[in-house]
Amino acid sequence: EVQLVESGGGLVKPGGSLRLSCTASGFTFSTYSMNWVRQAPGKGLEWVSYINSPSTSKFYADSVKGRFTVSRDNAKNTLYLQMTSLRVEDTAVYYCAKDPLDYGEVTALDFWGQGSLVTVSS
Amino acid sequence: QSVLTQPPSVSAAPGQKVSISCSGSYSNIAKNLVSWYQQVPGTAPKLLIYDNRKRPSGIPDRFSGSKSGPSATLGITGLQTGDEAHYYCGVWDSTLSAMVFGGGTRLTVL
Repeated sequence: EVQLVESGGGLVKPGGSLRLSCTASGFTFSTYSMNWVRQAPGKGLEWVSYINSPSTSKFYADSVKGRFTVSRDNAKNTLYLQMTSLRVEDTAVYYCAKDPLDYGEVTALDFWGQGSLVTVSS
Repeated sequence: QSVLTQPPSVSAAPGQKVSISCSGSYSNIAKNLVSWYQQVPGTAPKLLIYDNRKRPSGIPDRFSGSKSGPSATLGITGLQTGDEAHYYCGVWDSTLSAMVFGGGTRLTVL
């Protein structure tokens, strides 16, 4: 059974930093692309970032480019999202999501974690 | 303002059918593969349709997907109260080098 478990969320002040983790199990993590998707309270889904299996291809939404960094440790089956210069508008539930392929761009999001809430507030 | 346009809400009676549209452009829907997601409030999204019309294991054939040019459609037949949720379309945008989602459609089964 595929499982994705996010951790690391919490309350942070504007301008602060936070690192999210997503621990994967139930599939060969090292052979699939992974993504981060967020959802602000009461709002729709917003894709945040993509990383392919060997970490050679990474993409970011314009809203986070230059502030967020995606990475992965295939030996630890873990995906990360380093978030810096956080803004109030970054407040959201952050989901990690698996891609069914390793194509070099997002094809679909076939499994999702339960989400981790990040609140940016003074 | 989402790159993909969906109706904010649709409704129908139990047993009826409904269609949810997703309008995009050449750089996203017309060029790439569309997926659809169901989200019950308070839970994580779930993949319903991928590659425009394919269903993952466990998704009933009451759910279908289609695409024509820059637009895609999710169809749901035999509506059940358990289908009440928000539905999102998603696709890679080759110009933005980003995945884009529609704004979401709230389905009410009256």
